[in-house]
Amino acid sequence: AQSVTQLGSHVSVSEGALVLLRCNYSSSVPPYLFWYVQYPNQGLQLLLKYTSAATLVKGINGFEAEFKKSETSFHLTKPSAHMSDAAEYFCAVSKGNNQGGKLIFGQGTELSVKP
Amino acid sequence: DVKVTQSSRYLVKRTGEKVFLECVQDMDHENMFWYRQDPGLGLRLIYFSYDVKMKEKGDIPEGYSVSREKKERFSLILESASTNQTSMYLCASRIGTGVSYEQYFGPGTRLTVT
Repeated sequence: AQSVTQLGSHVSVSEGALVLLRCNYSSSVPPYLFWYVQYPNQGLQLLLKYTSAATLVKGINGFEAEFKKSETSFHLTKPSAHMSDAAEYFCAVSKGNNQGGKLIFGQGTELSVKP
Repeated sequence: DVKVTQSSRYLVKRTGEKVFLECVQDMDHENMFWYRQDPGLGLRLIYFSYDVKMKEKGDIPEGYSVSREKKERFSLILESASTNQTSMYLCASRIGTGVSYEQYFGPGTRLTVT
């Protein structure tokens, strides 16, 4: 069975500081992993996804994530936080083949950016 | 661009009312999903549809039903709304085949049941 754990429900950083949002997964099949962002009062938007092509994945808005099989992790990073990055971030893992693309989501991490 | 729209952004209903939440996608996607989002719980799948008139229960289907009469439209029905169904409801769609394709989300409906 698949599961996702996001460490830290709230993360606060200063503008210009490194952003690190943690995601650990459990999967009985080769995982496909996704990071989504949700801005206030909006739906979810895809930031990036890991589909086994490359372990370092670059996404939109300067975010990237590294797949580490040995650590079962897919942490999201951004070198320099911007005020506009304040949002909620969700990590998700695919349930696997023949599952219609169903995803298991983590609990979410709310990112605050201080001026 | 894929567009997923939901019929209402905010909805207030009374306990016991029948509630319809509508979702429409414009990209001919086979698969559609209904989630509810609650603080600290992330997104939980209520129902999933992989074709017209085809549906599958998700993780929390109790108290909900769905309808998919046309490919582009997926409706969530609360037969008798209760206060514990106050939540944010998100609809999503995606292409039917392949495990690596992402889901596209609508803006959400914030439902309050009083």
